[in-house]
Amino acid sequence: AQKITQTQPGMFVQEKEAVTLDCTYDTSDQSYGLFWYKQPSSGEMIFLIYQGSYDEQNATEGRYSLNFQKARKSANLVISASQLGDSAMYFCAMRERQTGANNLFFGTGTRLTVIP
Amino acid sequence: NAGVMQNPRHLVRRRGQEARLRCSPVKGHSHVYWYRQLPEEGLKFMVYLQKENIIDESGMPKERFSAEFPKEGPSILRIQQVVRGDSAAYFCASSPPQGLVTEAFFGQGTRLTVV
Repeated sequence: AQKITQTQPGMFVQEKEAVTLDCTYDTSDQSYGLFWYKQPSSGEMIFLIYQGSYDEQNATEGRYSLNFQKARKSANLVISASQLGDSAMYFCAMRERQTGANNLFFGTGTRLTVIP
Repeated sequence: NAGVMQNPRHLVRRRGQEARLRCSPVKGHSHVYWYRQLPEEGLKFMVYLQKENIIDESGMPKERFSAEFPKEGPSILRIQQVVRGDSAAYFCASSPPQGLVTEAFFGQGTRLTVV
C-alpha cells in the first residue's frame, strides 16, 4: 500500500482564491510527522509546513495551513490568497518513528497552476 | 548561514562513466540523507548516513551505487557505470544529531543526465 497518496495530479486556482491540496497517508505507527514541500519549475524542494501526529492544533505558516484529520488519516494543505508564484508542484511526505531515522515517504505530487 | 549545498547542479555523463555527487550539510548537522527523484515522480529515500557511518541504506540499489560521509568533507553519492535509467534529480537533506526533525531542508539537487 502507498504510504502517501495525492489523488490530484493537477489543480487550477484563480489568483487570490484559496485552494486545498489533498493528501492521505497510511501508517500503523502512533508517532509520525507530515510535511509539505513546494517544487517550482527551477527544481529545488522548499519546505512549507510540518504537522506532528501528537499536535492537537493544525499547523499554520503564513498563507499555508495544514488541515490535519487524524481519524481520516488526511493532511490537506490549504493555501489562502493564491499568488502567481504559488504555481508549482506540491509534495506531501511522511516520516514514521518506527522506520527510524528521518527518511521521508513522498507522494507523487500535485501540480498547482494559479490563473491570473 | 548556508543551507545544504549540493554540487554540481547539473551533471552529464556518458553510459559507463562514473558520477560523483557532493553534499555539504548545514553547519553543525551530522546526519545526511540522499533521495532520488525520477521524472514526474516524488522523491524516494536512498540512504541515511552519519559521520563515517551508514545507518540505513534500504533505498539504495544493490549494485553500482555507494555513499559515504567522511569525518571531514562533504557526503558523496557515487554511481559507477551509469546507465540511462540513472538519469534523475538527486537531493540531499541534513539534520542535527538530536531528535527527529520537524523541518527537513533539502539542497537544490543535482540533475544527472546520462547520454
